[in-house]
Amino acid sequence: DAGITQSPRHKVTETGTPVTLRCHQTENHRYMYWYRQDPGHGLRLIHYSYGVKDTDKGEVSDGYSVSRSKTEDFLLTLESATSSQTSVYFCAISRTESGTDTQYFGPGTRLTVL
Amino acid sequence: ILNVEQSPQSLHVQEGDSTNFTCSFPSSNFYALHWYRWETAKSPEALFVMTLNGDEKKKGRISATLNTKEGYSYLYIKGSQPEDSATYLCACSDTGRRALTFGSGTRLQVQP
Repeated sequence: DAGITQSPRHKVTETGTPVTLRCHQTENHRYMYWYRQDPGHGLRLIHYSYGVKDTDKGEVSDGYSVSRSKTEDFLLTLESATSSQTSVYFCAISRTESGTDTQYFGPGTRLTVL
Repeated sequence: ILNVEQSPQSLHVQEGDSTNFTCSFPSSNFYALHWYRWETAKSPEALFVMTLNGDEKKKGRISATLNTKEGYSYLYIKGSQPEDSATYLCACSDTGRRALTFGSGTRLQVQP
């Protein structure tokens, strides 16, 4: 257990509405990530953060923004949700063990955009 | 973006069979190779992280090897059990950044 929670766990929204997903960690890890899960694609990186106010884009960042105003929280915002953003979203942290970084995942948020 | 490929996409085996999957990745600028086990409706669970050419890791009946020069890793499951049924993901990072690029996974189903 890496002390990661995600909220909400499930959300249904309508096309065009803004949506914010929250990832919260309790272990003060520097690196945090947002991924989305899609059939046939495994997990794809949306954005990641390497510290407070330090973020970078992943491979599928279009339509998403992130913010990290404090170490423990990493927010993912869909400015104007589209049906193509229906997915399961996973947050992850990176923990260094025996000199190697391993990512640990939160429980996921299932988002449906109608 | 790294190109990480896994094969096969899916696999059906009988209980007791041994099996293996392949993950291929770019060998240039390689930093680390990760294997995850992912059960339906759960979050991915870390199995192994390997960084050095020739690395071998083992956890119970599951083991993995790494060849960074030719850009591949194998995951082996000895004596498959129904509880091994899951999707097995590999992921790769390069020396430039810590973010992982995942393959699309191998879905394993073990029939009792």
